[in-house]
Amino acid sequence: QKEVEQNSGPLSVPEGAIASLNCTYSDRGSQSFFWYRQYSGKSPELIMFIYSNGDKEDGRFTAQLNKASQYVSLLIRDSQPSDSATYLCAPRGGGSQGNLIFGKGTKLSVKP
Amino acid sequence: DGGITQSPKYLFRKEGQNVTLSCEQNLNHDAMYWYRQDPGQGLRLIYYSQIVNDFQKGDIAEGYSVSREKKESFPLTVTSAQKNPTAFYLCASSMGRLGVQETQYFGPGTRLLVL
Repeated sequence: QKEVEQNSGPLSVPEGAIASLNCTYSDRGSQSFFWYRQYSGKSPELIMFIYSNGDKEDGRFTAQLNKASQYVSLLIRDSQPSDSATYLCAPRGGGSQGNLIFGKGTKLSVKP
Repeated sequence: DGGITQSPKYLFRKEGQNVTLSCEQNLNHDAMYWYRQDPGQGLRLIYYSQIVNDFQKGDIAEGYSVSREKKESFPLTVTSAQKNPTAFYLCASSMGRLGVQETQYFGPGTRLLVL
């Protein structure tokens, strides 16, 4: 059974702080990892993806990947109230089909 | 205006009734997917299609059926065999190249409620 674990939260941070969202996965065959943001009642929207070990930066967002530890994280710098949402981690499973496997998400609340 | 559309936004099903959710994309994507999301849960894959006239079951296909007669369209039918259909249904699409950068994009979703 391929599993993706995320702390459900809520994770509460003050405006302007760094929010750190963590994700562990069980499928060692996973090669790429996606972070989606989902506002309440809305569909997921892609923030970024990563497939190489190390850090990948995109604006205020940084994804970090450590395949040996089966760990991926998302850092949000200068957090804004508009960042308040649920963040879904989704590794692409190994194998010929390579479908996304979604975690349950971490709910982030940024307080003004 | 490219994207993925789903209709209706809300759908009410009576007991014993089959209902069909629409998903259309004009992104020229080969692959399309249907997910179900329950409150506080992650997305679970119902069915997916990598090419026209072909589709595969996902993790929770029982009680659902799909067709893929056109590249742009991937309708999902929730049959009367699905005993707990109340959920948020999400359609997604991707280019279908299966490389590491293969990215899925989501439609706005359909919320299905049972009367």
